[in-house]
Amino acid sequence: GENVEQHPSTLSVQEGDSAVIKCTYSDSASNYFPWYKQELGKGPQLIIDIRSNVGEKKDQRIAVTLNKTAKHFSLHITETQPEDSAVYFCAASKQTGFQKLVFGTGTRLLVSP
Amino acid sequence: DGGITQSPKYLFRKEGQNVTLSCEQNLNHDAMYWYRQDPGQGLRLIYYSQIVNDFQKGDIAEGYSVSREKKESFPLTVTSAQKNPTAFYLCASSLQGAGGNTIYFGEGSWLTVV
Repeated sequence: GENVEQHPSTLSVQEGDSAVIKCTYSDSASNYFPWYKQELGKGPQLIIDIRSNVGEKKDQRIAVTLNKTAKHFSLHITETQPEDSAVYFCAASKQTGFQKLVFGTGTRLLVSP
Repeated sequence: DGGITQSPKYLFRKEGQNVTLSCEQNLNHDAMYWYRQDPGQGLRLIYYSQIVNDFQKGDIAEGYSVSREKKESFPLTVTSAQKNPTAFYLCASSLQGAGGNTIYFGEGSWLTVV
């Protein structure tokens, strides 16, 4: 089955810096890769996703890149703000058949003012 | 407002007791899911349902049971057979169960064994 590894487990940056979180997946058939942000005591919220037919997707300060050959994808946050502090999860699934998302173990991002 | 409502937010269970976590959605989604979250780990799938009156085991179904009698409701029962039930439980839904559909999460329920 699919296995998703996520690094780093914690990431501390200064406000205004960029943050990068990386994930690798094992199943070459996976082709849907969402990213979720989870604030303390709350449910995860989708912030961006990418499908295998594109290599990069941007939404304001957030971007995701996908390298299908290497089987890894990354989340990039530019001009970080204290409100970006949260746990971020990557996930992978196939677009055919049942939607079984396999999650990474999460990255705790701390943005210091 | 449309969304997923989980209740209760906090629940305490005594040894040997069954407890039920409620999940209701008004998004008109066909598919619903239950995930378990432990510190330092990703979310793990307990059960899922693609349609009313049908549900399937996920990766860690032992000690749990579900029902899907109505489209908007997917309650999870944590039975006494679940040996380590203390965790954060997340209910989710998507328009369809097919891959690539956005999965939306509720706010979660904390279960603690006392």
